[in-house]
Formats: sequence, C-alpha cells, structure tokens
Amino acid sequence: DTGVSQDPRHKITKRGQNVTFRCDPISEHNRLYWYRQTLGQGPEFLTYFQNEAQLEKSRLLSDRFSAERPKGSFSTLEIQRTEQGDSAMYLCASSLGGQAPEFSNQPQHFGDGTRLSIL
Amino acid sequence: AQSVTQLDSHVSVSEGTPVLLRCNYSSSYSPSLFWYVQHPNKGLQLLLKYTSAATLVKGINGFEAEFKKSETSFHLTKPSAHMSDAAEYFCVVSAWGSGTYKYIFGTGTRLKVLA
Repeated sequence: DTGVSQDPRHKITKRGQNVTFRCDPISEHNRLYWYRQTLGQGPEFLTYFQNEAQLEKSRLLSDRFSAERPKGSFSTLEIQRTEQGDSAMYLCASSLGGQAPEFSNQPQHFGDGTRLSIL
Repeated sequence: AQSVTQLDSHVSVSEGTPVLLRCNYSSSYSPSLFWYVQHPNKGLQLLLKYTSAATLVKGINGFEAEFKKSETSFHLTKPSAHMSDAAEYFCVVSAWGSGTYKYIFGTGTRLKVLA
C-alpha cells in the first residue's frame, strides 16, 4: 500500500491559464474522489468516480472544471481559464466502493493535495 | 439527511493533559463515523472509524472515540496531549440512504497544544 499520491504538490500560475492535476489512488481502490479545501475550511466535495465512470459532480464544479479517469486507475482534474477564486488545496481520495450499504463504512484515504495559487 | 457538528472550532490544551474534541451527528440511517487529522499542508489522515461494532473505538497515536447513540455523539479523546497532536481534526459521517452514501465533513476543530 503506497498510499494516494498527487502531483504536483504546488502549482503557481497566472489568472487565465489552464492547469492539470494528477492523482494516483491506492491500486485496489475502485472509487476516486476530488475535493477542494480553502484555508480554515473542511474539504468540499467536487466529484467522484467508480472505476472509469464519473458518477456524481457537485454544483461547485463549474464548466471550467473537468475530471477524467480514463482507465479506472489514475485521474486528472483540469481547470481552464483559472480565476483568483480557484486558489485552494485540491485533495484526492480513494476507497473501496459500490452501490450497496456495506460500502458506506469504507474509509477514504487521502493524498497530500495540490496547492494551487493564482497570481 | 445527514449532518455533523463539531462543537468547538478551537481547543487549547497543555502538553500532558487530556484532549476532548466534540462531535455530534445526525443521520436517518445507521451511520459510520470517522475522525481524521490534518497537519499543515498535508492531506487528511484517518485516526479511527466506527462501523457498528464496538462502541469504544481505538485509533492511532493514542486516540479513541466513543459512539453514544442516545446522545448522537462521537467525541474524540486522548489521555495525554503531545506537541505533535497540534493539528486540525475533522469528524465525518457516512450513511447509506436513498440508494447512495456520501462523506459529510464537520467544519473542523483546530487543536493547539501549549508547552
């Protein structure tokens, strides 16, 4: 178990640029989640995948945001035309999951996040 | 519907004294409950989880939590605080309902440990 890894750890970019983050989940986990966390707040859910299928997207995920998990392994989160308000920590988590009650007790395992700063 | 309330946004304790971080939850279904810790510029680390087995749950780093259904609480405790415990702590509820489940995070409690 090598844990969830995220790349890069830090990203500084100018307003209006596009950025892409990568998340590598724990290998046996079929669910992958993206969260956004601003300073002093808890994580806010953005979206999640079960295998390669994106099953839910938050209203926070504007059309400038897109996430993919093409082969059900790693995932990317892209932000287009970045804005000042996009500055945050972007966290990825993975877990075992499924559409059955017994999966609701599975813990999510988090990466160390990507901190995005918009100049 | 589910919700979780962390009753204190900040807690300060002296090193070597007990820690109590309070969490109340609301859930229409049998919940699973988790505590996570987050150190600066790091991700969330799982401390412990309750999943309808023993009501007293032991976690890592000497932390434990007790599930009290009658009080809808899941408070986190540690007998003796260490400087390295200074961090943000999140209580999370997850419960199955309406064909799905989701993590609901509390707003966090920042623990300060005084030398």
